[in-house]
Amino acid sequence: AQSVTQLDSHVSVSEGTPVLLRCNYSSSYSPSLFWYVQHPNKGLQLLLKYTSAATLVKGINGFEAEFKKSETSFHLTKPSAHMSDAAEYFCVVSDRDSWGKLQFGAGTQVVVTP
Amino acid sequence: EAGVAQSPRYKIIEKRQSVAFWCNPISGHATLYWYQQILGQGPKLLIQFQNNGVVDDSQLPKDRFSAERLKGVDSTLKIQPAKLEDSAVYLCASSYRENTEAFFGQGTRLTVV
Repeated sequence: AQSVTQLDSHVSVSEGTPVLLRCNYSSSYSPSLFWYVQHPNKGLQLLLKYTSAATLVKGINGFEAEFKKSETSFHLTKPSAHMSDAAEYFCVVSDRDSWGKLQFGAGTQVVVTP
Repeated sequence: EAGVAQSPRYKIIEKRQSVAFWCNPISGHATLYWYQQILGQGPKLLIQFQNNGVVDDSQLPKDRFSAERLKGVDSTLKIQPAKLEDSAVYLCASSYRENTEAFFGQGTRLTVV
């Protein structure tokens, strides 16, 4: 069975400082991993994905994530936060044992202060 | 490329009434998902279709919820009768096949009063 744990429900950062959103996963097979962002009253948008290629994945808007199999982690980072990064972020796992079911974490709310 | 289309965007109904949501996925996408997102929580999968067959409906409350995907294209999700706890955003998503990234519609915000 697959599962996702997002270790922080809320993260507050100052504009221009680094952002770190932590995600741990459990999967019985080689997983695919994704990060999605949800701005208020907007749909879910894919930030980046890992599908067994390079372990360091670059996404849109300066975000990147590193797949660490030994730590079962897929943390999301950005070197310098922008006010527009304020949103809800979801870590998602999918594996072939579950017919590609997308299992969402509970989400991390990011607040960016001037 | 057109995205995932959902309608309506908003719906307010009284408890015990019925409601239906419609989704048109991206053309050529074999996998279609319906998710329920309650305020402050992550999306929860209700049902997953592969073409017009169901591959996962383990979390669908089958006594009140039903879904179909005729001809493997668009899909309808129905609730009958609705309960107060069904108030949520219902998200439709599609992907080219399983294990690939899913593209989400804007969602339908349901309020049951």
